[in-house]
Amino acid sequence: DAGVTQSPTHLIKTRGQQVTLRCSPKSGHDTVSWYQQALGQGPQFIFQYYEEEERQRGNFPDRFSGHQFPNYSSELNVNALLLGDSALYLCASSHSGGSLSYNEQFFGPGTRLTVL
Amino acid sequence: LAKTTQPISMDSYEGQEVNITCSHNNIATNDYITWYQQFPSQGPRFIIQGYKTKVTNEVASLFIPADRKSSTLSLPRVSLSDTAVYYCLVGALGGRRALTFGSGTRLQVQP
Repeated sequence: DAGVTQSPTHLIKTRGQQVTLRCSPKSGHDTVSWYQQALGQGPQFIFQYYEEEERQRGNFPDRFSGHQFPNYSSELNVNALLLGDSALYLCASSHSGGSLSYNEQFFGPGTRLTVL
Repeated sequence: LAKTTQPISMDSYEGQEVNITCSHNNIATNDYITWYQQFPSQGPRFIIQGYKTKVTNEVASLFIPADRKSSTLSLPRVSLSDTAVYYCLVGALGGRRALTFGSGTRLQVQP
């Protein structure tokens, strides 16, 4: 089991551009959550996808959008990039039906986005 | 959402026991306490979770007093590889729960 995988590893963009980040969940997981982690801070919840729909959303603007595919993989899109969007973007997967005994989400290694 | 407070940083030496305390005064009845570990340039990793009293696994122990307003993560005999950021989270259970991270505690283990 490869666990949660993310691509690309690193990305450099300029202000105003758009970016797409990708995530493949752990085998058997159907729920994907995205987090943004600024340098020196804890991860902040962006949104969560389950059954190809956005189910929960954190305090992030509409410039942040996503998608989940039938195979449970997911994309995070950010439009009109700002300097403040520079961060590590983490994808986490979990199983919706199970995990009632744990608050355990499996995180990928993240995508480091730099906006110049 | 229950807010958590942890020390910003801690230093220790190899072989020592490290205790990291988290304060969560507004914890709700159905909230559990979960700890995650994060190494540089990696995603957080689940360590341990508990509701009350004491929980122990192969990695750590979690002590929760009766009032549940705080919890202590105990790492026995730390090694250099335990140098990481440790996050205390409080919330209800479920695979679809959004996790709320604070700033965490940066543990530095010295030789």
